[in-house]
Amino acid sequence: GQNIDQPTEMTATEGAIVQINCTYQTSGFNGLFWYQQHAGEAPTFLSYNVLDGLEEKGRFSSFLSRSKGYSYLLLKELQMLDSASYLCAVKKGGGNKLTFGTGTQLKVEL
Amino acid sequence: EAGVAQSPRYKIIEKRQSVAFWCNPISGHATLYWYQQILGQGPKLLIQFQNNGVVDDSQLPKDRFSAERLKGVDSTLKIQPAKLEDSAVYLCASSPFFGTGNRGYTFGSGTRLTVV
Repeated sequence: GQNIDQPTEMTATEGAIVQINCTYQTSGFNGLFWYQQHAGEAPTFLSYNVLDGLEEKGRFSSFLSRSKGYSYLLLKELQMLDSASYLCAVKKGGGNKLTFGTGTQLKVEL
Repeated sequence: EAGVAQSPRYKIIEKRQSVAFWCNPISGHATLYWYQQILGQGPKLLIQFQNNGVVDDSQLPKDRFSAERLKGVDSTLKIQPAKLEDSAVYLCASSPFFGTGNRGYTFGSGTRLTVV
């Protein structure tokens, strides 16, 4: 099976930086995805990591360490509209199936 | 391109009744998934289709849930009879090929089911 752990909730201030961590345990690891999900809406793709290192995309960056089974999503210059749930998902093997964590509910305050 | 279409958007039924959800994936996407998302949790895979064949249904409660994708395009998920614990959002997703690539899935807006 796969264990994926994320903090349940986080709170941050508008304009600040926040880091959301995700740890996983799985055999046959073949990539990690981050999705954003606003309340009542579908998850939308944010980032993908399969090799160690940092992937930067505008205000969002994602980091992966395969040896540590660890990833984080970094959000800079936080905006109120960044208030959402952030889902970490792991891909195993050559297939297409993603296993999701429970999500981290981020609240951005003034 | 048009997104993943799902209907209905909301459904309220009594326990022991039956319900069906419909999904039309992005045109040309070979792989289709149904996920169940209970409030406060991440999505859980129920079933994965590749064209009209089932790839993975290991977490589908087959005594009450069924799904089909007869022509390899749109799909229907059915629950019969429903239980209170089936209250959740049912998300459909699709991807263009068997390997996820670096874009993952495209999700539909989901059907929010409430069983009373």
